[in-house]
Amino acid sequence: DSGVTQTPKHLITATGQRVTLRCSPRSGDLSVYWYQQSLDQGLQFLIQYYNGEERAKGNILERFSAQQFPDLHSELNLSSLELGDSALYFCASSPRQGGWGYTFGSGTRLTVV
Amino acid sequence: GDSVTQMEGPVTLSEEAFLTINCTYTATGYPSLFWYVQYPGEGLQLLLKATKADDKGSNKGFEATYRKETTSFHLEKGSVQVSDSAVYFCALSRNTGNQFYFGTGTSLTVIP
Repeated sequence: DSGVTQTPKHLITATGQRVTLRCSPRSGDLSVYWYQQSLDQGLQFLIQYYNGEERAKGNILERFSAQQFPDLHSELNLSSLELGDSALYFCASSPRQGGWGYTFGSGTRLTVV
Repeated sequence: GDSVTQMEGPVTLSEEAFLTINCTYTATGYPSLFWYVQYPGEGLQLLLKATKADDKGSNKGFEATYRKETTSFHLEKGSVQVSDSAVYFCALSRNTGNQFYFGTGTSLTVIP
């Protein structure tokens, strides 16, 4: 157990639907990062939050959004889902910003049918 | 921009063979360098890291040395085991930055 908790582990949904993925960071970590891992794109950085504020954006689609709550857990919202959104979505946390190494959760496998 | 290039896989080795997975990076300044490992069905785990030139990161028999002159951070292990079968990712991060840049991953299979 890495200390980063992601729920649900698996999610199957239809095209056009909206889903929410949840992440609880390791105790004491202030930064949360979201990554998408797909076979064709590899591991892609989506977005980072630090202590409730958005700090960096990567290749995140406009249909996707995220937030970090006061208790530091984070949610990634994916809407108007397409088949190509099927992937593993990882959350990672770190004590600060950058340079210290991430702790990854075990991921949420999203399948869009 | 910053990027990481690692050797294509998959790599298949016999138990006790020597392992090298090449990784080179492009970055301005002095990033930190990392190797992560992903076992089947799991998230990525930090294997080792190095934060400045000539540093050697090591863990579980794996080693990598930060070579600024060749912009490389090759992963090595002298004698692999079946349990080392996994996907290995090289990554970099600026010490003051927010984002990690990952290589595409190299799948390693060790056969008895």
